[in-house]
Amino acid sequence: GNSVTQMEGPVTLSEEAFLTINCTYTATGYPSLFWYVQYPGEGLQLLLKATKADDKGSNKGFEATYRKETTSFHLEKGSVQVSDSAVYFCALSDGQNFVFGPGTRLSVLP
Amino acid sequence: EPEVTQTPSHQVTQMGQEVILRCVPISNHLYFYWYRQILGQKVEFLVSFYNNEISEKSEIFDDQFSVERPDGSNFTLKIRSTKLEDSAMYFCASSGGRGSYNSPLHFGNGTRLTVT
Repeated sequence: GNSVTQMEGPVTLSEEAFLTINCTYTATGYPSLFWYVQYPGEGLQLLLKATKADDKGSNKGFEATYRKETTSFHLEKGSVQVSDSAVYFCALSDGQNFVFGPGTRLSVLP
Repeated sequence: EPEVTQTPSHQVTQMGQEVILRCVPISNHLYFYWYRQILGQKVEFLVSFYNNEISEKSEIFDDQFSVERPDGSNFTLKIRSTKLEDSAMYFCASSGGRGSYNSPLHFGNGTRLTVT
């Protein structure tokens, strides 16, 4: 079946540091890939998405590129802020069924 | 921007009681989901719903659980005879306006269920 694997957290960075959160997936066919963010006490919000190989999703300074050859969708940001502290979930969809990774907690210190 | 709304935001119930969690999905969406998250851990799929019937359900979604779309706007999750381990955040989500494929899930802010 389909699955998503993320790097273990928590990740703790200083403000303005470079962020990478690794995500790899296993799926049949050609899934769409997503990153969701969950701020404390809130629901999951779509951060960015990519629907085909080599697509780059971007939003709020975050980027992720759909790499079919390595089955990866790593999340990056060049300079994190304290307000980026949250849990980040990588997810895939094969049509209408979504599979989420376990989440990576990011803490950004001032 | 349209959003998914869930009520109540927090529900406290005694073990063995029945609870109904309510959701209003985005109006033109066709696919509806329930997920749960225990203590900020992994987001677990419970059930998906399309065309007035369950399209897929997980092992978690046993006979204790049921879903219903009683009218054109609400989507409910009923948990019968609640257990302590049912304590979690329950998230409703919707997706798939007409003509869309692989459209993202839009989540509500969740209902925190506490079973005592």
